[in-house]
Amino acid sequence: EPEVTQTPSHQVTQMGQEVILRCVPISNHLYFYWYRQILGQKVEFLVSFYNNEISEKSEIFDDQFSVERPDGSNFTLKIRSTKLEDSAMYFCASSTIEKLFFGSGTQLSVL
Amino acid sequence: GENVEQHPSTLSVQEGDSAVIKCTYSDSASNYFPWYKQELGKGPQLIIDIRSNVGEKKDQRIAVTLNKTAKHFSLHITETQPEDSAVYFCAVPPPSGGSYIPTFGRGTSLIVHP
Repeated sequence: EPEVTQTPSHQVTQMGQEVILRCVPISNHLYFYWYRQILGQKVEFLVSFYNNEISEKSEIFDDQFSVERPDGSNFTLKIRSTKLEDSAMYFCASSTIEKLFFGSGTQLSVL
Repeated sequence: GENVEQHPSTLSVQEGDSAVIKCTYSDSASNYFPWYKQELGKGPQLIIDIRSNVGEKKDQRIAVTLNKTAKHFSLHITETQPEDSAVYFCAVPPPSGGSYIPTFGRGTSLIVHP
């Protein structure tokens, strides 16, 4: 069964450092998303991507964040200068239209 | 934006009992209602969904019921098993038009005691 894969599973970084989280969406999906989940809280939308551009973004997705689809398979989330409050589980998801398929997440810890 | 409320936040049951989780929403134009299950250390996985033209959908031990008039939908798990222990999220689509960006409920932590 096709699945969304994310790497790395865990990332530890120092405050102010740049991190890149990587995702390989399901191959025939057209919509790509990043969500984050702070420990014990709900899943929060960050950004959606369609047709090689951002289609929607939330208030959380400020200038420190960027997304890219550098080739035909990868979808990345970059945080330019990490803050302590960026510590969370970051989930990538892809969909055809409505059914979202999530990856297993990257646990980001900012020290 | 869509206002989604999910109850209860935690639910503890004995193995074999039934569990019901309810989600209410605000936008009457919503027409697709999925439930996701998140096991420890994993991403949410779609387990069942329902469209607004039906009132109930079943898949083995899980079912979803929809009341469009009252704007709520519920997840029902019968004959619960320890492996049902997880966090369950409802999701509601945005108002009509635009990208599909569902709003998730706050989650229900289901604990099934053997």
